[in-house]
Amino acid sequence: KAGVTQTPRYLIKTRGQQVTLSCSPISGHRSVSWYQQTPGQGLQFLFEYFSETQRNKGNFPGRFSGRQFSNSRSEMNVSTLELGDSALYLCASRGPLYNEQFFGPGTRLTVL
Amino acid sequence: SQQGEEDPQALSIQEGENATMNCSYKTSINNLQWYRQNSGRGLVHLILIRSNEREKHSGRLRVTLDTSKKSSSLLITASRAADTASYFCATDRANSKLTFGKGITLSVRP
Repeated sequence: KAGVTQTPRYLIKTRGQQVTLSCSPISGHRSVSWYQQTPGQGLQFLFEYFSETQRNKGNFPGRFSGRQFSNSRSEMNVSTLELGDSALYLCASRGPLYNEQFFGPGTRLTVL
Repeated sequence: SQQGEEDPQALSIQEGENATMNCSYKTSINNLQWYRQNSGRGLVHLILIRSNEREKHSGRLRVTLDTSKKSSSLLITASRAADTASYFCATDRANSKLTFGKGITLSVRP
């Protein structure tokens, strides 16, 4: 079974731009969660999608949004980028029976 | 806010030794999970222990959970250089939102 994939792996943007990151979960997994990892704040939960519905949301501003498609693939969007948005963005998928979350390799976003 | 707090923050041991890492958390949980991360890459799931379990083994890994003390420990036996990584504990309150600690940096010297 293929693991969680994320594209792109690296991204460089400038302040004020917007960015869209993509995540394909493990086949059969319907839950996709997004996390932001920075040296200062560590790993923080952004949101979770299940069957195309946002089921849970972390404490991030409205500039951070996401969606999930009928094939369970998910995208997250960050608008009006700020320097502080530079981070590793990780997505994780979870299957129906177990609580383990399986993470993708992440997208490294650098905002200049 | 961080739910899990790992201890120590950094650990350096010799290959072949055992490594013990601790995690404390603040609220009731459904389960606790340990992850490994190599050099800023994705997280690798190591082991999950449910709130009604006290100990779990997986290969060279042994995890304990004490819900009365709100703490968990991860023991890696017979460590290898390849175990060098950052280790995170994450708590799950049954809402799929994992809350992570700041992590422990483990260095295993050959």
